[in-house]
Amino acid sequence: EAGVTQFPSHSVIEKGQTVTLRCDPISGHDNLYWYRRVMGKEIKFLLHFVKESKQDESGMPNNRFLAERTGGTYSTLKVQPAELEDSGVYFCASSQDERLEQYFGPGTRLTVT
Amino acid sequence: AQSVTQPDIHITVSEGASLELRCNYSYGATPYLFWYVQSPGQGLQLLLKYFSGDTLVQGIKGFEAEFKRSQSSFNLRKPSVHWSDAAEYFCAVGPQGGGYNKLIFGAGTRLAVHP
Repeated sequence: EAGVTQFPSHSVIEKGQTVTLRCDPISGHDNLYWYRRVMGKEIKFLLHFVKESKQDESGMPNNRFLAERTGGTYSTLKVQPAELEDSGVYFCASSQDERLEQYFGPGTRLTVT
Repeated sequence: AQSVTQPDIHITVSEGASLELRCNYSYGATPYLFWYVQSPGQGLQLLLKYFSGDTLVQGIKGFEAEFKRSQSSFNLRKPSVHWSDAAEYFCAVGPQGGGYNKLIFGAGTRLAVHP
């Protein structure tokens, strides 16, 4: 069974540009989560989808971040326009049930210069 | 505020030595508790979890953790470390009971293993 995949693995963009990160959850997992780790600090929750609906987006930093999950399969996280402080590693996770283990992808390392 | 503290940012041990990674949490009630490991180039992998019951929890790769309610701690242990255990370790908590599992992580402890 394929795990959670994320693309790209690394992205380097300039301040003011737009970047879109993609996450493909494990097949059949209705729950999808985005997390972010900035500058070696804690991994912080961004938002949670149940199928295509946003269950909780309380961790989204500001309106420059837009997450979508059309069709309830893969998800994208767009940052527009990117700022220096957005640099970090963005993790995606999925779970079959919200009470069960979350399976994490390898992360996308975003560097904003 | 809910938080997780991992006091040790870096730990270095010799192969074959014992290991204990510390984790303390601040939470309104007893949460669900987790330890994850991230090896280079890999995603976070769940080592073990505590939901209820026996406070000594066994996980994969020979790891165990003990929940101590009085100390709000959930320390990770391994009796004999292998070179392949070199990785970054994260303690996390999640809300107990029903509802979604929004994890709160500590800052991580990076483990180096000397041959």
